[in-house]
Amino acid sequence: DSGVTQTPKHLITATGQRVTLRCSPRSGDLSVYWYQQSLDQGLQFLIQYYNGEERAKGNILERFSAQQFPDLHSELNLSSLELGDSALYFCASSVKPLPSGQIVTSGANVLTFGAGSRLTVL
Amino acid sequence: AQKVTQAQTEISVVEKEDVTLDCVYETRDTTYYLFWYKQPPSGELVFLIRRNSFDEQNEISGRYSWNFQKSTSSFNFTITASQVVDSAVYFCALSEGAGANNLFFGTGTRLTVIP
Repeated sequence: DSGVTQTPKHLITATGQRVTLRCSPRSGDLSVYWYQQSLDQGLQFLIQYYNGEERAKGNILERFSAQQFPDLHSELNLSSLELGDSALYFCASSVKPLPSGQIVTSGANVLTFGAGSRLTVL
Repeated sequence: AQKVTQAQTEISVVEKEDVTLDCVYETRDTTYYLFWYKQPPSGELVFLIRRNSFDEQNEISGRYSWNFQKSTSSFNFTITASQVVDSAVYFCALSEGAGANNLFFGTGTRLTVIP
């Protein structure tokens, strides 16, 4: 168990629908990342949040949106779903504050991934 | 722009053979980090190693070893005496910049270890 929890594990829906994927980061981690893994695009970075604020954006479609809540969990909303949105969506977390309260901003922190949410659009 | 190439799409080896997974990267940054992740059949992504661009020392962890060569922009991964449990898809990834955390992944190499 990585400590990153994603729900649901599997989701089947129809084109045009909207779904929400949920992620709880490891205890104490401030950053959440969303990645999409599909057969044709591979593993692609979608978006990152840090302590509730959007930090970086990747190849995220306008039909997709995300947010990170005060308790640090995050949700990825996918709307107007298309067949091509079928994929495995991963959430990852990183960055714990140091005991002093300082945040390690240098270096690349290791991302810990959840087990993923498999979305099938029919 | 950054790029990670894993030219080997699939590799099959017989158990106890050694196998090397290749990773070639491109970046304009002088500070960057390289990673390997494993994705077993169960689907989760498991962190294996992180290396920064200033540390070219090779690393060994049990049956795993990594060879980082800046001169050829490569970060290859060798499994010694492979086991069936090593069967998985292995991803090489790059993160650019001193404070960056986003990973840019290669397309992965599917390793099958035949008993």
